[in-house]
Amino acid sequence: SQKIEQNSEALNIQEGKTATLTCNYTNYSPAYLQWYRQDPGRGPVFLLLIRENEKEKRKERLKVTFDTTLKQSLFHITASQPADSATYLCALDPGGSYIPTFGRGTSLIVHP
Amino acid sequence: EAQVTQNPRYLITVTGKKLTVTCSQNMNHEYMSWYRQDPGLGLRQIYYSMNVEVTDKGDVPEGYKVSRKEKRNFPLILESPSPNQTSLYFCATLIIGQGAYEQFFGPGTRLTVL
Repeated sequence: SQKIEQNSEALNIQEGKTATLTCNYTNYSPAYLQWYRQDPGRGPVFLLLIRENEKEKRKERLKVTFDTTLKQSLFHITASQPADSATYLCALDPGGSYIPTFGRGTSLIVHP
Repeated sequence: EAQVTQNPRYLITVTGKKLTVTCSQNMNHEYMSWYRQDPGLGLRQIYYSMNVEVTDKGDVPEGYKVSRKEKRNFPLILESPSPNQTSLYFCATLIIGQGAYEQFFGPGTRLTVL
C-alpha cells in the first residue's frame, strides 16, 4: 500500500522567508497529488493539485513541484506570513480509486 | 455559499449507544466521503459514495455504516460505538473531472465515546 512521509517536526521560519515542505511517497506514482492546509480543529482546505505528468504548479505565493523519479513533492510558500502558520497535508490518489491517502501533515510556524 | 455541514459538531456518548452524524452539501457533488483523524495517524477514509445508493468501504470501515438516499446527504452511523471510535470526523465532497480534483471538507465532528 502507499505510504506517505511528511516531516513530523514543526518547521519554524521567519516572516518573509520561503517555507519548503516535503512529501515523500513509496510505491506507485499517484495520478493526483494534492496539498491542503488545516487549521486546528477545522477541516482541511484544498490548496493545489499537481498531476503525474506535471512538474510544477503555481498559485499566487504557493508553488508545488512533483518529481516522480525521487517520489517526492515539494510545497513552497514564498514571502511567508504569520497567517500562513498551519498544518499542511499532502494527499495522493493513484487514479480511479477515489480513496486518497493522506500524509500526517507538517506544522508550519511563521514568526513575525 | 458552497459548503459542507456536519451535525453535531461535538458529541459525548457512552459505549453501545447508537448515534448518527449527519453530513449535508449544497454543491451538487456526486462524490462524498467520511474520514476520521487521529493524532499521529492522519486522515483515514471510512466510507465513500460515488452517487445515490452507491457506497464503498474506505480504509477503516469497521464499526461504521453509511447511507446515500439523496445526493446532498451522507450520514455516518455508529450502531454500537466503542471508545476506540473516539476521534475527529470529517465529511467531504469531491469534484473530479475536466481537469479538476478537489475535496471540500466539513467543519468536523469531535466524538468522544466513554
